[in-house]
Amino acid sequence: EPEVTQTPSHQVTQMGQEVILRCVPISNHLYFYWYRQILGQKVEFLVSFYNNEISEKSEIFDDQFSVERPDGSNFTLKIRSTKLEDSAMYFCASLLTRGVTEAFFGQGTRLTVV
Amino acid sequence: GESVGLHLPTLSVQEGDNSIINCAYSNSASDYFIWYKQESGKGPQFIIDIRSNMDKRQGQRVTVLLNKTVKHLSLQIAATQPGDSAVYFCAESSNSGYALNFGKGTSLLVTP
Repeated sequence: EPEVTQTPSHQVTQMGQEVILRCVPISNHLYFYWYRQILGQKVEFLVSFYNNEISEKSEIFDDQFSVERPDGSNFTLKIRSTKLEDSAMYFCASLLTRGVTEAFFGQGTRLTVV
Repeated sequence: GESVGLHLPTLSVQEGDNSIINCAYSNSASDYFIWYKQESGKGPQFIIDIRSNMDKRQGQRVTVLLNKTVKHLSLQIAATQPGDSAVYFCAESSNSGYALNFGKGTSLLVTP
């Protein structure tokens, strides 16, 4: 069964450092998302991406965050200068197309900022 | 702001019993309501969805009910199994392809 894959599974970084979280969405999917989940809390939307541009973003997704689809298969989330409060599980998701609702989530990357 | 929330944080049921997980929402403009299951260490997994123009939808062992009058959503799991133990999130979206707004989650524990 096709799946969304994320790397690394766990990333530890020092405060102020840049991190890049990587995702490979399902190959024929057109919509891509990043969500995050702080430990014990609900899943929060960060950003959606379609047709090589951001289609929607939340208040969390400020100018410290950026997304890119550099090569047609990878989808990355970059945090330029990490803060302690960025520590969370980050999930990538992909959706086949508009008109369906079954978004497929990856296993997540646990980001720990120290 | 608009929110999606859950009535109970934890639910414990015996294997074989039916489970009902409830969710309240406040955004009247939501068009899709979706239930996700999250097992420990994994990402959310789609279970079932329902559009705002429906009040009931059935899947395999699961039924989702939508009451727009009181803005209430429920997930019913028939003959609950140990593999159903997970955190269940309701989510809403204003349209397919748009951001999912998740609720806080209910932890379902199935005991033998």
